[in-house]
Amino acid sequence: KQEVTQIPAALSVPEGENLVLNCSFTDSAIYNLQWFRQDPGKGLTSLLLIQSSQREQTSGRLNASLDKSSGRSTLYIAASQPGDSATYLCAVRAGGSNYKLTFGKGTLLTVNP
Amino acid sequence: NAGVMQNPRHLVRRRGQEARLRCSPMKGHSHVYWYRQLPEEGLKFMVYLQKENIIDESGMPKERFSAEFPKEGPSILRIQQVVRGDSAAYFCASSLETGSYEQYFGPGTRLTVT
Repeated sequence: KQEVTQIPAALSVPEGENLVLNCSFTDSAIYNLQWFRQDPGKGLTSLLLIQSSQREQTSGRLNASLDKSSGRSTLYIAASQPGDSATYLCAVRAGGSNYKLTFGKGTLLTVNP
Repeated sequence: NAGVMQNPRHLVRRRGQEARLRCSPMKGHSHVYWYRQLPEEGLKFMVYLQKENIIDESGMPKERFSAEFPKEGPSILRIQQVVRGDSAAYFCASSLETGSYEQYFGPGTRLTVT
């Protein structure tokens, strides 16, 4: 059974700092991995989708890497801003159901001005 | 191009009542997925539907929960005789094709059972 773990559960940083969020998964036979952002009381916004054949994806100040063999992904946020404050979720598709997303519990990020 | 729409956004029900949650997928999407987010828990898959068909309901409780996606109209997640443990955020997602195609999420319905 696929399990996704995100560390740390919460992170507070001053504005301008570069930071890394971690995601690990137990079944390395994944189809792809996706990072989402969730604002309080809101839905999920997809940030980056990495296919199993890819090593990383970049969008603006965000960079996500994938190491399938070790079951790890990182989300790097450069020059953090207060507007980046949100919960960041990692989700994988694995196993026989390539449509079923398995989520971690998320990392709550607070960027202080 | 409107995104995934869910209504109501907030729903309060007393124990024993029925809850009906609606989801309109993105235009052109015929694949719908429901996920539930319990307090302090990650989102968990409930059910996957295509038009008029339930493809995978392995994550949905066997009793009191049902889902449909009719030929016309939104997808409906129905919870009968709600209990306090059903209080959660219910998210709907849709995709253009099945498989590992990207799923687009709606804003969710927050159900509170009193």
